[in-house]
Amino acid sequence: SQTIHQWPATLVQPVGSPLSLECTVEGTSNPNLYWYRQAAGRGLQLLFYSVGIGQISSEVPQNLSASRPQDRQFILSSKKLLLSDSGFYLCAWSPPMGENIQYFGAGTRLSVL
Amino acid sequence: AQRVTQPEKLLSVFKGAPVELKCNYSYSGSPELFWYVQYSRQRLQLLLRHISRESIKGFTADLNKGETSFHLKKPFAQEEDSAMYYCALLSGGSNYKLTFGKGTLLTVNP
Repeated sequence: SQTIHQWPATLVQPVGSPLSLECTVEGTSNPNLYWYRQAAGRGLQLLFYSVGIGQISSEVPQNLSASRPQDRQFILSSKKLLLSDSGFYLCAWSPPMGENIQYFGAGTRLSVL
Repeated sequence: AQRVTQPEKLLSVFKGAPVELKCNYSYSGSPELFWYVQYSRQRLQLLLRHISRESIKGFTADLNKGETSFHLKKPFAQEEDSAMYYCALLSGGSNYKLTFGKGTLLTVNP
Protein backbone atom coordinates (compact mmCIF):
# COMPACT_ATOMS: atom_id res chain seq x y z
CA SER A 1 0.00 0.00 0.00
CA GLN A 2 1.01 3.59 -0.46
CA THR A 3 2.42 5.69 2.36
CA ILE A 4 3.60 9.26 2.65
CA HIS A 5 6.24 10.42 5.09
CA GLN A 6 7.05 13.95 6.15
CA TRP A 7 9.84 15.11 8.41
CA PRO A 8 10.60 16.63 10.72
CA ALA A 9 7.34 16.74 12.64
CA THR A 10 8.30 19.98 14.35
CA LEU A 11 11.01 22.51 13.68
CA VAL A 12 12.12 25.71 15.37
CA GLN A 13 14.39 27.90 13.31
CA PRO A 14 15.81 31.42 13.72
CA VAL A 15 14.95 34.16 11.26
CA GLY A 16 17.37 34.18 8.37
CA SER A 17 18.27 30.51 8.61
CA PRO A 18 17.74 28.04 5.76
CA LEU A 19 14.94 25.51 5.61
CA SER A 20 14.57 22.03 4.16
CA LEU A 21 11.45 19.95 4.68
CA GLU A 22 11.29 16.56 3.08
CA CYS A 23 8.42 14.44 1.86
CA THR A 24 8.61 10.95 0.38
CA VAL A 25 5.98 8.63 -1.00
CA GLU A 26 6.20 4.85 -1.10
CA GLY A 27 4.25 2.24 -3.00
CA THR A 28 3.41 4.24 -6.11
CA SER A 29 5.11 5.61 -9.19
CA ASN A 30 4.98 9.05 -10.78
CA PRO A 31 2.64 10.56 -8.21
CA ASN A 32 1.49 14.14 -8.32
CA LEU A 33 3.00 15.87 -5.30
CA TYR A 34 1.87 18.95 -3.38
CA TRP A 35 2.97 21.30 -0.63
CA TYR A 36 0.30 23.14 1.34
CA ARG A 37 0.38 25.57 4.23
CA GLN A 38 -2.38 25.21 6.78
CA ALA A 39 -3.15 28.25 8.90
CA ALA A 40 -5.86 28.58 11.51
CA GLY A 41 -8.84 30.38 10.05
CA ARG A 42 -7.29 30.46 6.61
CA GLY A 43 -7.66 26.88 5.48
CA LEU A 44 -5.18 25.12 3.24
CA GLN A 45 -3.21 27.13 0.76
CA LEU A 46 -1.54 25.30 -2.11
CA LEU A 47 2.08 26.41 -2.38
CA PHE A 48 3.60 24.11 -5.00
CA TYR A 49 2.68 21.09 -7.03
CA SER A 50 4.64 18.74 -9.23
CA VAL A 51 3.56 16.28 -11.90
CA GLY A 52 7.01 14.83 -12.51
CA ILE A 53 10.72 14.96 -11.69
CA GLY A 54 12.02 18.48 -12.02
CA GLN A 55 8.56 19.89 -12.82
CA ILE A 56 7.44 22.39 -10.22
CA SER A 57 4.55 24.83 -10.38
CA SER A 58 4.31 27.64 -7.88
CA GLU A 59 0.92 28.87 -6.82
CA VAL A 60 1.77 31.91 -4.74
CA PRO A 61 4.78 34.23 -4.68
CA GLN A 62 6.73 33.70 -1.50
CA ASN A 63 10.02 33.14 0.22
CA LEU A 64 9.89 29.38 -0.36
CA SER A 65 10.87 27.07 -3.18
CA ALA A 66 10.28 23.41 -3.97
CA SER A 67 12.24 20.72 -5.73
CA ARG A 68 11.62 17.17 -6.87
CA PRO A 69 14.99 15.48 -7.27
CA GLN A 70 13.50 11.98 -7.44
CA ASP A 71 10.16 10.56 -8.52
CA ARG A 72 8.81 10.15 -5.02
CA GLN A 73 10.66 12.88 -3.17
CA PHE A 74 9.46 16.43 -2.73
CA ILE A 75 11.43 19.06 -0.84
CA LEU A 76 10.33 22.45 0.46
CA SER A 77 13.16 24.93 0.97
CA SER A 78 14.08 28.45 1.84
CA LYS A 79 17.43 30.21 1.79
CA LYS A 80 16.44 32.68 4.53
CA LEU A 81 13.40 32.17 6.69
CA LEU A 82 11.08 35.01 7.62
CA LEU A 83 8.86 35.24 10.67
CA SER A 84 5.86 34.99 8.35
CA ASP A 85 7.01 31.54 7.19
CA SER A 86 5.86 30.07 10.50
CA GLY A 87 3.01 27.65 10.05
CA PHE A 88 1.94 24.08 9.50
CA TYR A 89 3.13 22.55 6.24
CA LEU A 90 1.45 19.58 4.65
CA CYS A 91 2.70 17.36 1.87
CA ALA A 92 0.24 15.38 -0.23
CA TRP A 93 0.23 13.03 -3.19
CA SER A 94 -2.35 11.92 -5.72
CA PRO A 95 -2.30 9.20 -8.40
CA PRO A 96 -1.05 10.37 -11.79
CA MET A 97 -4.27 9.20 -13.42
CA GLY A 98 -7.69 8.07 -12.33
CA GLU A 99 -9.10 9.07 -8.99
CA ASN A 100 -8.49 12.71 -8.12
CA ILE A 101 -8.00 12.03 -4.42
CA GLN A 102 -5.17 13.58 -2.46
CA TYR A 103 -3.49 11.76 0.43
CA PHE A 104 -1.86 13.85 3.10
CA GLY A 105 1.17 13.50 5.29
CA ALA A 106 1.22 14.16 9.01
CA GLY A 107 2.60 17.67 8.57
CA THR A 108 5.47 19.76 9.89
CA ARG A 109 4.98 22.51 12.45
CA LEU A 110 7.50 25.25 11.66
CA SER A 111 8.18 28.04 14.13
CA VAL A 112 10.45 30.84 13.00
CA LEU A 113 11.74 32.92 15.93
CA ALA B 1 -10.86 32.03 -10.55
CA GLN B 2 -12.34 29.28 -8.42
CA ARG B 3 -13.31 29.91 -4.85
CA VAL B 4 -14.73 27.81 -2.02
CA THR B 5 -16.62 29.42 0.83
CA GLN B 6 -17.42 27.79 4.13
CA PRO B 7 -19.35 30.47 5.99
CA GLU B 8 -19.15 28.89 9.45
CA LYS B 9 -15.80 28.75 11.22
CA LEU B 10 -17.36 26.96 14.18
CA LEU B 11 -20.42 24.77 14.48
CA SER B 12 -21.63 23.22 17.70
CA VAL B 13 -24.48 20.70 17.98
CA PHE B 14 -25.68 18.15 20.50
CA LYS B 15 -25.36 14.43 19.99
CA GLY B 16 -28.29 13.08 18.00
CA ALA B 17 -29.11 16.42 16.41
CA PRO B 18 -28.95 16.94 12.64
CA VAL B 19 -25.90 18.72 11.33
CA GLU B 20 -25.27 20.61 8.11
CA LEU B 21 -21.91 22.09 7.15
CA LYS B 22 -22.28 24.63 4.40
CA CYS B 23 -20.09 24.93 1.34
CA ASN B 24 -20.54 27.21 -1.64
CA TYR B 25 -18.27 27.37 -4.62
CA SER B 26 -17.54 29.69 -7.48
CA TYR B 27 -16.36 28.13 -10.71
CA SER B 28 -17.43 28.65 -14.29
CA GLY B 29 -16.72 25.14 -15.49
CA SER B 30 -17.80 21.68 -14.38
CA PRO B 31 -16.61 21.22 -10.80
CA GLU B 32 -15.59 18.14 -8.89
CA LEU B 33 -16.18 18.60 -5.16
CA PHE B 34 -14.86 16.90 -2.08
CA TRP B 35 -15.18 16.96 1.68
CA TYR B 36 -12.00 16.32 3.66
CA VAL B 37 -11.94 15.78 7.41
CA GLN B 38 -9.25 16.11 10.05
CA TYR B 39 -9.91 14.43 13.39
CA SER B 40 -7.89 15.43 16.43
CA ARG B 41 -4.29 14.22 16.12
CA GLN B 42 -4.98 12.54 12.79
CA ARG B 43 -4.09 13.34 9.22
CA LEU B 44 -6.32 15.20 6.84
CA GLN B 45 -8.25 12.58 4.89
CA LEU B 46 -10.96 12.33 2.28
CA LEU B 47 -14.47 11.94 3.66
CA LEU B 48 -16.48 11.87 0.44
CA ARG B 49 -16.71 13.27 -3.08
CA HIS B 50 -19.73 14.18 -5.12
CA ILE B 51 -19.10 11.86 -8.04
CA SER B 52 -19.24 8.82 -5.77
CA ARG B 53 -22.73 9.67 -4.51
CA GLU B 54 -22.10 7.61 -1.42
CA SER B 55 -22.74 7.96 2.28
CA ILE B 56 -19.66 7.79 4.50
CA LYS B 57 -20.02 7.54 8.28
CA GLY B 58 -23.63 8.64 7.82
CA PHE B 59 -22.64 11.82 5.97
CA THR B 60 -24.00 12.76 2.57
CA ALA B 61 -23.43 15.73 0.31
CA ASP B 62 -25.34 16.68 -2.81
CA LEU B 63 -23.99 18.93 -5.50
CA ASN B 64 -26.49 21.67 -6.31
CA LYS B 65 -25.27 23.42 -9.43
CA GLY B 66 -28.11 25.93 -9.38
CA GLU B 67 -27.15 27.15 -5.93
CA THR B 68 -23.45 26.31 -6.43
CA SER B 69 -23.47 24.46 -3.14
CA PHE B 70 -22.16 21.19 -1.75
CA HIS B 71 -23.42 21.08 1.81
CA LEU B 72 -22.45 18.18 4.07
CA LYS B 73 -25.27 16.64 6.09
CA LYS B 74 -25.82 14.02 8.73
CA PRO B 75 -29.22 13.35 10.31
CA PHE B 76 -27.92 12.32 13.73
CA ALA B 77 -24.55 13.68 14.85
CA GLN B 78 -22.21 11.58 17.01
CA GLU B 79 -19.48 12.76 19.36
CA GLU B 80 -16.86 11.08 17.18
CA ASP B 81 -17.89 13.38 14.32
CA SER B 82 -16.17 16.27 16.09
CA ALA B 83 -13.43 17.39 13.71
CA MET B 84 -12.35 20.05 11.24
CA TYR B 85 -14.12 19.74 7.91
CA TYR B 86 -12.86 21.21 4.65
CA CYS B 87 -14.76 21.54 1.42
CA ALA B 88 -12.58 21.41 -1.69
CA LEU B 89 -13.01 22.04 -5.41
CA LEU B 90 -11.09 20.44 -8.24
CA SER B 91 -11.22 22.65 -11.28
CA GLY B 92 -12.23 20.92 -14.47
CA GLY B 93 -9.21 22.05 -16.42
CA SER B 94 -6.78 20.29 -14.14
CA ASN B 95 -6.63 17.05 -12.25
CA TYR B 96 -4.00 18.41 -9.97
CA LYS B 97 -5.15 21.36 -7.98
CA LEU B 98 -7.63 21.46 -5.15
CA THR B 99 -8.97 24.74 -3.87
CA PHE B 100 -9.91 24.40 -0.20
CA GLY B 101 -12.34 26.37 1.90
CA LYS B 102 -11.20 27.76 5.23
CA GLY B 103 -12.77 24.90 7.13
CA THR B 104 -15.49 24.44 9.74
CA LEU B 105 -14.71 23.09 13.18
CA LEU B 106 -17.59 20.85 14.22
CA THR B 107 -18.09 20.08 17.87
CA VAL B 108 -20.67 17.51 18.88
CA ASN B 109 -21.56 17.85 22.53
CA PRO B 110 -22.79 14.94 24.66
